[in-house]
Amino acid sequence: GQSLEQPSEVTAVEGAIVQINCTYQTSGFYGLSWYQQHDGGAPTFLSYNALDGLEETGRFSSFLSRSDSYGYLLLQELQMKDSASYFCAVPGGGNKLTFGTGTQLKVEL
Amino acid sequence: DVKVTQSSRYLVKRTGEKVFLECVQDMDHENMFWYRQDPGLGLRLIYFSYDVKMKEKGDIPEGYSVSREKKERFSLILESASTNQTSMYLCASSLTGGGDIQYFGAGTRLSVL
Repeated sequence: GQSLEQPSEVTAVEGAIVQINCTYQTSGFYGLSWYQQHDGGAPTFLSYNALDGLEETGRFSSFLSRSDSYGYLLLQELQMKDSASYFCAVPGGGNKLTFGTGTQLKVEL
Repeated sequence: DVKVTQSSRYLVKRTGEKVFLECVQDMDHENMFWYRQDPGLGLRLIYFSYDVKMKEKGDIPEGYSVSREKKERFSLILESASTNQTSMYLCASSLTGGGDIQYFGAGTRLSVL
């Protein structure tokens, strides 16, 4: 089966850089995804890493190390609107995704 | 833009009632999913479907069933609602499986009294 571990909560100040870690255990690995969910909103896709290394999309970057079964989401120049929950996810058997329990990011002034 | 629409934003039902949650997607996606979301537990997969009339159990299928008679519509059924099924229910769809992007609906917050 699949299991993912991420911190439950992270707090940072506006303008700072924050890293949200995710470690996973899977029977087969095909990639690591990240989703963002604002309070009361729907999860939305942020990034997908199939290969080792850093993928950058604007202020957000995602990193994967398959040898360490580890990835992280890096948010730069934090803004208040980045306050949300962030979920890592891995493909499971068949067509499904298994999600982590989520990290609640609080951005403070 | 992909649109996934869930029929109700809030729903209140009584214990023992049969409950239908409806989800429609407009992008001709093959795969559709039902999750429930509870504080501290993340998103847990209930059922998914990779084609019309095809379904597979997810991680927590007990107490639920699903129906997919048309490609765009995926229904979640609670045969006899219980209080422990009070939760946020999220529907999603994706073109292909695995790591492909899943598009989510706004969710249905179900309260079973």
